[in-house]
Amino acid sequence: ETGVTQTPRHLVMGMTNKKSLKCEQHLGHNAMYWYKQSAKKPLELMFVYNFKEQTENNSVPSRFSPECPNSSHLFLHLHTLQPEDSALYLCASSQDWQRDQTDTQYFGPGTRLTVL
Amino acid sequence: AQTVTQSQPEMSVQEAETVTLSCTYDTSESDYYLFWYKQPPSRQMILVIRQEAYKQQNATENRFSVNFQKAAKSFSLKISDSQLGDAAMYFCAYRSPSFQGAQKLVFGQGTRLTINP
Repeated sequence: ETGVTQTPRHLVMGMTNKKSLKCEQHLGHNAMYWYKQSAKKPLELMFVYNFKEQTENNSVPSRFSPECPNSSHLFLHLHTLQPEDSALYLCASSQDWQRDQTDTQYFGPGTRLTVL
Repeated sequence: AQTVTQSQPEMSVQEAETVTLSCTYDTSESDYYLFWYKQPPSRQMILVIRQEAYKQQNATENRFSVNFQKAAKSFSLKISDSQLGDAAMYFCAYRSPSFQGAQKLVFGQGTRLTINP
């Protein structure tokens, strides 16, 4: 596997379910990100992790819980979601800015989430 | 806060012709980075080209080039010799300079590009 991978690619869940999204990067990067992409809206940043530490929480509801056990893996735990949470969830990673000052983000293919 | 505006929700072009996608942004910073990403139907967001604001020379990547006008806060993408595989949503993005840690991207609304055979 190369680049940024995400599993599952599609997920359908009920409002009372608990599920998790997984992201893995094979690029040796130190920062990882979760984005939400809804129809007809710009991408919304949800969380940022740098060297496993959360550096940004963009006012995301607590029903979304991120976890970053190491610089290569990022999870998004989902619990008691609402139908309006249905969206494409994208993961991205980037190099440490001291090694790549452009800090270019590379994206995974996304998980299409549908909440019934 | 920085904002990014893509005023063209949809564009279309004949195969082999040239098309330009517009992007404007608002910032009070003097040093920053700009990106164009492409999202085909497969949904994978792919980096097309990037530009450092301190560089006056416009970035180019094969058939893709930008027209960066810093004073006008404009960052348009030109695609030459359009190919069917160029059909996708194109997003313009802005990022502040990284002095520490990771920095977030601010995205525009996107432009859907259709290539007509």
